Formats: sequence, structure tokens, C-alpha cells
Amino acid sequence: GAVVSQHPSWVICKSGTSVKIECRSLDFQATTMFWYRQFPKQSLMLMATSNEGSKATYEQGVEKDKFLINHASLTLSTLTVTSAHPEDSSFYICSVGVGSTEAFFGQGTRLTVV
Amino acid sequence: AQRVTQPEKLLSVFKGAPVELKCNYSYSGSPELFWYVQYSRQRLQLLLRHISRESIKGFTADLNKGETSFHLKKPFAQEEDSAMYYCALRGYGGATNKLIFGTGTLLAVQP
Repeated sequence: GAVVSQHPSWVICKSGTSVKIECRSLDFQATTMFWYRQFPKQSLMLMATSNEGSKATYEQGVEKDKFLINHASLTLSTLTVTSAHPEDSSFYICSVGVGSTEAFFGQGTRLTVV
Repeated sequence: AQRVTQPEKLLSVFKGAPVELKCNYSYSGSPELFWYVQYSRQRLQLLLRHISRESIKGFTADLNKGETSFHLKKPFAQEEDSAMYYCALRGYGGATNKLIFGTGTLLAVQP
């Protein structure tokens, strides 16, 4: 399977600042990565599909100007939360799909906006 | 619309008791169904998928298209089965393999 690593594992930032979260596929070249958001005791909500070399595809209701996604290489996708506010505090998880059968997940990033 | 429903937020059983975690789905075509598990302080990982028709850690799940269900079962629960379980769906034919998750069920196995 694929090994997926996220950095940082947790981050605290001030309201109004921007935060970048990295998702790396360590042993697999991923043309597609997925970004999820998980609220406490709730399900994972798909935010967007990150496509290498092209624009990300956002799910309905997700602000693309607030959650900037860049997938510049086959092993790295980044999610930037711009002008963060306390309501953006959440657990952000990325995943890589291998073939057509299985998804491998990063360990997640806990974002707290104060 | 694609949707996955897990009606139980919490399921508490005693060790050795049978377990059934319910999952129902809504999808217009032929979906792929999965069960993912998240143990305490670990990342989400695949438990099993319907196309494999396999038993993993004693768990099985059968896709019932008539009832649009994919319930997860284990005849004798173990304490180490305590975890968060997510049912997930993926549609065939899409350009991506994005997953739609249910809200999850926390399984607590008491000694």
C-alpha cells in the first residue's frame, strides 16, 4: 500500500492568518489526492479532489478561495487555509487512491484557530 | 444523491457477544462499498470491501442490493475491536475514486 504523511500533525494559528498543510505520498506517485475535513465526533466530509498539474475539483459548498489546493508534483499536495477563523478549526485529512480499490490516509492535521 | 447512513453513533457490547454495525446506502448505480476502521490515535485504514468477499479480523460484510445495506458483522467481539467504524461508498465510472463516508459508529467492547 501507499504511505501517506501529513505535516504538520497539529497547528495553532491566529485568526486572520493563513496555514499550509502538506500531504505527501512517500512511496507512490499520486495523480490524484483527496482532502477531507472531520469535525469532532462526525464523519469525514470530502472537501476537494487534488489533481496533479491542474486545478482542484471542489465539492459543493466548499469555498475554493478559502481552501487553496496545489498539487505541483506526483508526491505532494498542499491545502492552504486562508484568512483562518475559529470556525475553520477542524481535523483535516488527506488520502491517496491506489488503483481503483483502496484509499490510504494520512494521519491528519489538527488545526486550531484562536 | 449518494449517501451513506450509519444509524448508530455508539454500539456497546460485551466481549464474546455478536456484533452488527449497520450501514445503508443510497446510490443510483452500482457502488463499491467499504468498511474503514480507526483505532484510537491511529489513522483511518481499510478493513474490508465488498468486492473481495473476504473476512478480516473475523469481520464480514455482505452487500444486499435489495435492502441497499452493507452491514458489518462479527460473531464474537474482542476488546481490541473497540474503534470507530466508517462505512464508505464509491461510485463506478467516475474519473476519480473519491469516497463518501457515513457518520461512523463507535464500537466499545466491554471486558
